[in-house]
Amino acid sequence: EPEVTQTPSHQVTQMGQEVILRCVPISNHLYFYWYRQILGQKVEFLVSFYNNEISEKSEIFDDQFSVERPDGSNFTLKIRSTKLEDSAMYFCASSEAQRSFEKLFFGSGTQLSVL
Amino acid sequence: DAKTTQPNSMESNEEEPVHLPCNHSTISGTDYIHWYRQLPSQGPEYVIHGLTSNVNNRMASLAIAEDRKSSTLILHRATLRDAAVYYCILSVRDNAGNMLTFGGGTRLMVKP
Repeated sequence: EPEVTQTPSHQVTQMGQEVILRCVPISNHLYFYWYRQILGQKVEFLVSFYNNEISEKSEIFDDQFSVERPDGSNFTLKIRSTKLEDSAMYFCASSEAQRSFEKLFFGSGTQLSVL
Repeated sequence: DAKTTQPNSMESNEEEPVHLPCNHSTISGTDYIHWYRQLPSQGPEYVIHGLTSNVNNRMASLAIAEDRKSSTLILHRATLRDAAVYYCILSVRDNAGNMLTFGGGTRLMVKP
């Protein structure tokens, strides 16, 4: 079964450094998402992306965050200057379309630790 | 957005059926009911979804109340691998980013 892959599985960085989290969505999917989950808390929506544009973003997704689809296969989340509170598991997801009954397929996540 | 209410945790014995309830009394007519689960150290995984009628797939069944104010996810024979957090989520309307709003979910523990 096709799957969303994320790299790296773990990322450790120093506060103030830039990090890029990478995702390869399922190949025929057109809609891409980032979610995050702080340890012990709920899964939170960050951003959705379609046709090289952000279609929706949450309050969490401030100017420190950006997303990009640099080529036909990768989808990246960049955090420009990491803060301690950015430590979380980050999940990439993709879907074929954006209808209200659409299934989202999630990757296994990247655990980001900011020291 | 309409919210859902689920018990924090439930226990089940292996190979027995499990009924996971969800209340969504403020559901709108166009909201789909989705269930996802999250195994330990994994991303959320789609389980099933429905609108008005009961649904079955290879993973589970979804029973939706006639007034749609509640639903029940049914695992017919729980296995140890089914131990996870189960999320009942109402979909956002079309063309609104398809963003899923996760609540706290129900932590299902399966005893051998």
